[in-house]
Amino acid sequence: ETGVTQTPRHLVMGMTNKKSLKCEQHLGHNAMYWYKQSAKKPLELMFVYSLEERVENNSVPSRFSPECPNSSHLFLHLHTLQPEDSALYLCASSQDTISGGNEQFFGPGTRLTVL
Amino acid sequence: GQNIDQPTEMTATEGAIVQINCTYQTSGFNGLFWYQQHAGEAPTFLSYNVLDGLEEKGRFSSFLSRSKGYSYLLLKELQMKDSASYLCAVLTGGGNKLTFGTGTQLKVEL
Repeated sequence: ETGVTQTPRHLVMGMTNKKSLKCEQHLGHNAMYWYKQSAKKPLELMFVYSLEERVENNSVPSRFSPECPNSSHLFLHLHTLQPEDSALYLCASSQDTISGGNEQFFGPGTRLTVL
Repeated sequence: GQNIDQPTEMTATEGAIVQINCTYQTSGFNGLFWYQQHAGEAPTFLSYNVLDGLEEKGRFSSFLSRSKGYSYLLLKELQMKDSASYLCAVLTGGGNKLTFGTGTQLKVEL
């Protein structure tokens, strides 16, 4: 595997379910990110991790819980989601954080549908 | 709050030059990114500007004026594959808050 991979690619869940999204980067980068992309809305940066430490949380509801066990893996744990949380969730990584203008490499995304 | 404006759609002809503008009003400024996103695909990085002036990278150039809160992306020798959405994003908040515009959908025609 090369680049940034995400699993699953598609997920349908009920509002009472608990699920997790997984991201893995094979680029040796130190920073990882979660983004949300909804139809007709700007791309939203949700979380920023640098060397496994969360450095930014952009007012994301607590029903989204990120986890970064090491610099290659990033998870997004989901529970009691709402239909408006249906979106494309993108993971990205960069050598160091975006504060230095570092190029981000994106994964293909997980298309989430909440029923 | 943060406000970033881009035109919603633009159309241009193959071989031509097109300029996509982005204006911003933000609390603080730590740099500006441009990304390209083809339909159904993830964004890809195009450029980063933090100082005033023009950065050139092949057929693509990006310009920044911090005093005017203004940037543009210039695409030369347009190709059909340049049809995509172009996203402007401003970095603030000490450097890890990234706010995106809604994107400009560019259509390149023959």
